[in-house]
Amino acid sequence: EAQVTQNPRYLITVTGKKLTVTCSQNMNHEYMSWYRQDPGLGLRQIYYSMNVEVTDKGDVPEGYKVSRKEKRNFPLILESPSPNQTSLYFCASRYRFNNQPQHFGDGTRLSIL
Amino acid sequence: QKEVEQNSGPLSVPEGAIASLNCTYSDRGSQSFFWYRQYSGKSPELIMSIYSNGDKEDGRFTAQLNKASQYVSLLIRDSQPSDSATYLCAVKADYGGSQGNLIFGKGTKLSVKP
Repeated sequence: EAQVTQNPRYLITVTGKKLTVTCSQNMNHEYMSWYRQDPGLGLRQIYYSMNVEVTDKGDVPEGYKVSRKEKRNFPLILESPSPNQTSLYFCASRYRFNNQPQHFGDGTRLSIL
Repeated sequence: QKEVEQNSGPLSVPEGAIASLNCTYSDRGSQSFFWYRQYSGKSPELIMSIYSNGDKEDGRFTAQLNKASQYVSLLIRDSQPSDSATYLCAVKADYGGSQGNLIFGKGTKLSVKP
């Protein structure tokens, strides 16, 4: 089954404690992306990747890091989380050069206390 | 900065009516346009895609595209309470270094009243 898998689905943690949200896809997609979603602000892109070792900033990259060492994985790293990073996060993937649908993970709800 | 604009709503329509959702975009070079539906707390799901000027129909949904006006819309006929959701317009960058990147609007919240 084609899917994008995010882990964890829910996390409550404290300010300053480094965390990683993993994202994995099994469709051999070149393109992967991370979004955060807050009430009234829609989906805001954090980082995206066009292929292995190629990453680019989205609209709200501050406080986040990503890496793309393998095609299937695109982890989101919060080195020193702060309460303003409390949000619902989505990972997505798609083929870069055609119009096949973009697939989304089920989301990760992060609460930073 | 490529932008996609939508009215945030909420848009409220009675059951059985036509809901009309609108979207404008700034990148004249874009060729690929998508509508996603998102229920609260869930991930977005693709409901329509459109690439050519004119109308594209799929069941109760019709997408309309006007590239000259940089405008794309979604019509939902015979609206049902189950259509109550946030509808996201997305535009794909079709050239340059960001080719393939999908830019989303903030979404329009639709409420269908029984």
